[in-house]
Amino acid sequence: DSGVTQTPKHLITATGQRVTLRCSPRSGDLSVYWYQQSLDQGLQFLIHYYNGEERAKGNILERFSAQQFPDLHSELNLSSLELGDSALYFCASRRGQGVRNSYNEQFFGPGTRLTVL
Amino acid sequence: AQKITQTQPGMFVQEKEAVTLDCTYDTSDPSYGLFWYKQPSSGEMIFLIYQGSYDQQNATEGRYSLNFQKARKSANLVISASQLGDSAMYFCAMSSNTGGFKTIFGAGTRLFVKA
Repeated sequence: DSGVTQTPKHLITATGQRVTLRCSPRSGDLSVYWYQQSLDQGLQFLIHYYNGEERAKGNILERFSAQQFPDLHSELNLSSLELGDSALYFCASRRGQGVRNSYNEQFFGPGTRLTVL
Repeated sequence: AQKITQTQPGMFVQEKEAVTLDCTYDTSDPSYGLFWYKQPSSGEMIFLIYQGSYDQQNATEGRYSLNFQKARKSANLVISASQLGDSAMYFCAMSSNTGGFKTIFGAGTRLFVKA
């Protein structure tokens, strides 16, 4: 158990719908990262938040948005869903933000498997 | 542009033998970190080992060691004394300060350990 929780574990929805994925980081971790893992695209970095502020954006679609709340939990909102959005969405947390000599490990949650029908 | 390359889609190794999984990277940032993660069939991502760009010695964590060759931009994972439970997907990843602390992953190598 990494200490990172993600809900829900599975989500099945229809095209055009909107869903919210939730992530609670490990106690004390200020950074939250979101990733999408699909069969054809591999593991793609979406976005990084540190202590409530957006720090980096990766291959995140405009239909997707995220935020990190004052209690440090994070939500990833996916709207106007398409079949191609079906994937495993991971959240990871980390103590710090930059590249340092310590606190470099990202702890991954169990993921949310999204299926768009 | 930053890039991680894992050229071995699949690897076989005999139980109790050592195996090397290849990873090359590209970045212009002088400060970066390299990671290896294991993803078993159950789907979770398990951190294995980390190497910082300024670290003088290769990282080791139990049966895992990272063969870091900075000039060649390679960060190969060595697993000694393979076990059946090592069968999984292995991802090499890199974080750097370029572009705001994002982390990029390679395509992965699927390791099969034979009894």
